[in-house]
This record gives sequence, C-alpha cells and structure tokens, in this order.
Amino acid sequence: GQQLNQSPQSMFIQEGEDVSMNCTSSSIFNTWLWYKQDPGEGPVLLIALYKAGELTSNGRLTAQFGITRKDSFLNISASIPSDVGIYFCAGQFLAGQNFVFGPGTRLSVLP
Amino acid sequence: DADVTQTPRNRITKTGKRIMLECSQTKGHDRMYWYRQDPGLGLRLIYYSFDVKDINKGEISDGYSVSRQAQAKFSLSLESAIPNQTALYFCATSDGTGLLAPKADTQYFGPGTRLTVL
Repeated sequence: GQQLNQSPQSMFIQEGEDVSMNCTSSSIFNTWLWYKQDPGEGPVLLIALYKAGELTSNGRLTAQFGITRKDSFLNISASIPSDVGIYFCAGQFLAGQNFVFGPGTRLSVLP
Repeated sequence: DADVTQTPRNRITKTGKRIMLECSQTKGHDRMYWYRQDPGLGLRLIYYSFDVKDINKGEISDGYSVSRQAQAKFSLSLESAIPNQTALYFCATSDGTGLLAPKADTQYFGPGTRLTVL
C-alpha cells in the first residue's frame, strides 16, 4: 500500500533556530496535510496544501507542496519551546479518499 | 467545548475483556474514522464510516469492530482484548465533500484514548 516517509525521525534544536522537515512518498498525492501532536493530545491540523508548488504559511510555519507531488516540506522559523511535539504529514490521492499518514518527526527544542 | 470527544481518555484492562471506546462529534461531519497510534508507526486506520449506513474496514481491522449509532457517534470495540492492542486510539472526522470542495476535505482528531491491555 501507499506509504509516507518523514525525515528526520527526530531532531534537537536550540530555541530560536529554524527547522526544516520533509515528507516523501513513492506515489503521487494531490492533497498534503501537516499536523502537530502535543504529548497526550490528538493531532491538530497546521497547514493544508491542495496544489503542486503551493507555498502556504501559518504564522511561523511554512509548508510547500512539492512540484513532483511526491513530497512536501514544513519549515518552522525562530523555534520556541512550545514547538515541541510530533509533526505528522498526511497525503491523499483523490479528494474524498482516505488519508495516508507518515510516522512523524519528533521535535525537541532546547532552551 | 471540543468538536470531537473521546471516552474514556485512559483505560487499563485485562486480556480477554471486552472494551468499547466511544467517540462523539459536534462538527456535523458525515465521515468518521478510528485510528491506532503506536510509537514510530504513525497513525494506522482501523475502520471508517462515510455515513450511518456505511462501515468500512481499514488497514488493521482484525480484532476490532465498530458501530455507527448516529451521525455524531462512532464507537470502537475490542471483543477480546490482547496485549498487542495496547496503544493510543484516535477518532477523527471529516467533511468528505472533497469532490465539490477539496479544501474542506481535512481530518479533525479527538484527544485520544490510551488503552493498556495487561
């Protein structure tokens, strides 16, 4: 079945640094979603992307829909302690179909 | 109030017991989902329902069953719990009108249920 890979699996950064992570697929997706999960909570939607090449921002977060439609990227600028958590990507081939989720990138922010 | 709620939030049970996890939503969405989360494996789909009369198996349905009692309620049952069903369980909803309005087709998650089977 379809699978998504996320890299890095985990990362430790200093507060104030910028963060980049990506999500790749062996098959094409036409919708990409990025979620953040805090400990003990459910994933919360951060950004949704619906068009190849699209670049969308949500505060300090920016996500891009890769031109090949097989990848997506999430950047966080000027990280703060509350950015700590697990970031998941999800892809969907056709609108209305189920989403496939990546394994997540665990982000730790050191003061 | 939260749009998607799950009960219980935590449950410890013994092997062989029957367990039901419940999910309710106030978003008015037709589509509801149950996922399981294990460390390093992300979210895996157990069952999903596109409306009250529609139930579909997901990637890992063995050992689980579901009931869609109403548009707003979707419950997950473990008929005879086993230790490898210890995990975080999430309910999610979506509008599912993607064909007409792609930007509406996103998933909204509940807070999760942490289940431990001893």
